[in-house]
Amino acid sequence: DAGVIQSPRHEVTEMGQEVTLRCKPISGHDYLFWYRQTMMRGLELLIYFNNNVPIDDSGMPEDRFSAKMPNASFSTLKIQPSEPRDSAVYFCASSPPPGTTGKETQYFGPGTRLLVL
Amino acid sequence: AQSVTQLDSQVPVFEEAPVELRCNYSSSVSVYLFWYVQYPNQGLQLLLKYLSGSTLVKGINGFEAEFNKSQTSFHLRKPSVHISDTAEYFCAVSDQDGATNKLIFGTGTLLAVQP
Repeated sequence: DAGVIQSPRHEVTEMGQEVTLRCKPISGHDYLFWYRQTMMRGLELLIYFNNNVPIDDSGMPEDRFSAKMPNASFSTLKIQPSEPRDSAVYFCASSPPPGTTGKETQYFGPGTRLLVL
Repeated sequence: AQSVTQLDSQVPVFEEAPVELRCNYSSSVSVYLFWYVQYPNQGLQLLLKYLSGSTLVKGINGFEAEFNKSQTSFHLRKPSVHISDTAEYFCAVSDQDGATNKLIFGTGTLLAVQP
């Protein structure tokens, strides 16, 4: 398996623009997590899905952030409008369903480095 | 609620010296414990995990960790580090009985190996 795939790897945009980050989880995994990493706040869980359904979005900073998972192999994290304080590395991770080997482990993608000017 | 504390934000060490990265956790229920490593400009990679059984867990790249329930600790150790071990190390915890795989991460420890 290719692992968790994220795109783009780098994104530079101007304040006010819409940004869409994409994630393809490992095939067969039914949990998907979105994290944000900054120097100031460390690694923060933004939202996670189970079987394409959002379970906990309490970490989403504000209404400018939204996430969707239209099917088991694709998820997006959207920021509209973007602001300089959104600059961070955004990670996607997935994990297997309960009852399977490694179910407790999250597998991370390489991340998207976002810079909002 | 669970929490993870990594007291050392940065640990400088010379090559071939031993190292210990400290991790303490707080939880009212039984937990799984993890160490992840993040190399520069990369994602997080699982180093090792404690689920149950032997309290000494061995991971990749010669690292090991010991679960100490009485001290609620899960310290990471390596007897002899290499320059290539320079990275950020994150301790994490999850609820064994929880319905999700949600992880709580510590703030990370930067291991800086010097020649």
